[in-house]
Amino acid sequence: AQSVTQPDIHITVSEGASLELRCNYSYGATPYLFWYVQSPGQGLQLLLKYFSGDTLVQGIKGFEAEFKRSQSSFNLRKPSVHWSDAAEYFCAVGAWSSASKIIFGSGTRLSIRP
Amino acid sequence: ETGVTQTPRHLVMGMTNKKSLKCEQHLGHNAMYWYKQSAKKPLELMFVYNFKEQTENNSVPSRFSPECPNSSHLFLHLHTLQPEDSALYLCASSQEQSNTEAFFGQGTRLTVV
Repeated sequence: AQSVTQPDIHITVSEGASLELRCNYSYGATPYLFWYVQSPGQGLQLLLKYFSGDTLVQGIKGFEAEFKRSQSSFNLRKPSVHWSDAAEYFCAVGAWSSASKIIFGSGTRLSIRP
Repeated sequence: ETGVTQTPRHLVMGMTNKKSLKCEQHLGHNAMYWYKQSAKKPLELMFVYNFKEQTENNSVPSRFSPECPNSSHLFLHLHTLQPEDSALYLCASSQEQSNTEAFFGQGTRLTVV
């Protein structure tokens, strides 16, 4: 069965520190992977996506993620976080050509310590 | 600006009321979705419309009734809701049969009293 696991419910990091949010997936075919961010009371905004090619993908707001097939992981990273990065982050896995098949993880809430 | 607009942003309704949520996308997409986001629960896909035809209904109670009059508009009609239906309702759109992601609206925060 398809699934996405975000093992960290809540993470707090200091402003300026590096960040890594973990995501593991289970998917029968070649996965298509996404990271979304959600600010309080807002919808989800796409940070980055992986469909094929280079396994290190760059996204908006200075985020990047690396697809590791051997570990079934797609962790999100940022070298130096800003207070404005405080939000909920969702990892998702889906099938080509069908956004209706996207499965979302339960999310990781990121807090920033001044 | 996401290209997907939802109204209203906030809604408080009694259990005997009838109300509707509206979603409009300006991206030329051919698929639209309703998601429910409750506290401490994963995002739940409720309904999917492709080319105005409903293609998925994930065991949603009949007190939620979707309507898709055209590819750009999607409604969620609500009646006799329960307090546990209080949640953030998110609309999304995408272009099926292409490598693309779903684009989300800002959501409607629904409170059932």
